[in-house]
Amino acid sequence: GAGVSQSPSNKVTEKGKDVELRCDPISGHTALYWYRQSLGQGLEFLIYFQGNSAPDKSGLPSDRFSAERTGGSVSTLTIQRTQQEDSAVYLCASSASDRDRPSDYEQYFGPGTRLTVT
Amino acid sequence: AQKVTQAQTEISVVEKEDVTLDCVYETRDTTYYLFWYKQPPSGELVFLIRRNSFDEQNEISGRYSWNFQKSTSSFNFTITASQVVDSAVYFCALNLQGAQKLVFGQGTRLTINP
Repeated sequence: GAGVSQSPSNKVTEKGKDVELRCDPISGHTALYWYRQSLGQGLEFLIYFQGNSAPDKSGLPSDRFSAERTGGSVSTLTIQRTQQEDSAVYLCASSASDRDRPSDYEQYFGPGTRLTVT
Repeated sequence: AQKVTQAQTEISVVEKEDVTLDCVYETRDTTYYLFWYKQPPSGELVFLIRRNSFDEQNEISGRYSWNFQKSTSSFNFTITASQVVDSAVYFCALNLQGAQKLVFGQGTRLTINP
């Protein structure tokens, strides 16, 4: 079956511009995660959505970062006024977890979006 | 706080050699989960294994095996008779019971030379 898909695969933007990154989770997966992979910081958690519950935004590095998930499926990560330190690969993952036992299910990752801020 | 340490930044071996990737974790919780993921050059993280803290049995899957030892807080990964296709970055990760996010180690870049 189809895995997690992300678009675009690559994005080059100028400093100060806003960008939107899209994630399509595996059909039926209720949980969706965003991570960031950069040379200096490794793989970092950004945000987590579970069903209709309020998202866990504890990993977002600044208020320039926001994410939404419409209809419990597709998610968009938005970075406003991009900075060079935002350059990284942004990975999306989904899992079949439920709210009471989120850690009982493995996360399946998409191919990522490589963001370069010039 | 939780932490995962993969001390080996890069490993290079010749095909058919056995290789072990080390993973040491830190947590004060008694219930937690450990994972290994493979990241090939294509970039997509591929799930390999999930192990909970109450199950210390070693796991074998084909040429892959995992050794979980709570006494040393380690969850090491061994590839037997390595192949060029095993070349990738391998990540060890941890999450806690009831938690959502994975805490990753820094990864080990494994290169298998023909």
